[in-house]
Amino acid sequence: EAQVTQNPRYLITVTGKKLTVTCSQNMNHEYMSWYRQDPGLGLRQIYYSMNVEVTDKGDVPEGYKVSRKEKRNFPLILESPSPNQTSLYFCASRTGRDGYTFGSGTRLTVV
Amino acid sequence: EDQVTQSPEALRLQEGESSSLNCSYTVSGLRGLFWYRQDPGKGPEFLFTLYSAGEEKEKERLKATLTKKESFLHITAPKPEDSATYLCAVRNTGFQKLVFGTGTRLLVSP
Repeated sequence: EAQVTQNPRYLITVTGKKLTVTCSQNMNHEYMSWYRQDPGLGLRQIYYSMNVEVTDKGDVPEGYKVSRKEKRNFPLILESPSPNQTSLYFCASRTGRDGYTFGSGTRLTVV
Repeated sequence: EDQVTQSPEALRLQEGESSSLNCSYTVSGLRGLFWYRQDPGKGPEFLFTLYSAGEEKEKERLKATLTKKESFLHITAPKPEDSATYLCAVRNTGFQKLVFGTGTRLLVSP
C-alpha cells in the first residue's frame, strides 16, 4: 500500500530535549515536505526537499532542522524544543504536479 | 502574498441537504487548487486538483469547480460519513509548497 509513515504518533517532551520525528514513504517520490497544523492558522510548511541532499526552508523553519540522505526518508529534528512548537505535524510526499500524500500526523507536546 | 480563505468556518447539514463550501484565493500564477478531506486525528486525504478556470471534477457526492477567484465544493445529498473538515490549498508557479486555508468543518446529521 502506498503510504507516508510518521513516527511517533504522539510525543510529550520537555523543553530543550532534542527529538526527531521520522517520516518514510514507499512511493519513490522525489519531493517531500513537513507541515505543522495549528488551530486558526491552518497547515504551514516548515521545510521541503526536492530530492536527496536538496532541502529548503518553508514558511516557518525557525527551530527545526531536516535531512534527506535517502529518497524514502525525511526526518524532522527539533534540537531544542520549546512550548511554541507544540503542534500537530504532518509529513507529505509528491510526484509530478499532483498527488500530495500526507502521513497520519505526529501530535507533539512540549512542556 | 498567496492567500486562501474558506467559508463558512463550520456547516451543519441534515442528511440529504445539499450545500456548497467556498474557497477564495489570491495567488501569483496558479499551478493547482487542491481539495482535501481531514478526519479528526488523521492526515489530509486528497480529493481533487483543479488547474484552470472552468474546470470541474466529481467524486461520488462531491463536485469541485474553479473560477479565477474561487473554488466551490458542492456536496449533493450528503450522508453522515461525509462529516469532516474540508481543506482548500493552492500551489503557485515557482514555489514548492501548498498554501492552505483554515478549513470548513462539516457535520451531517442523520
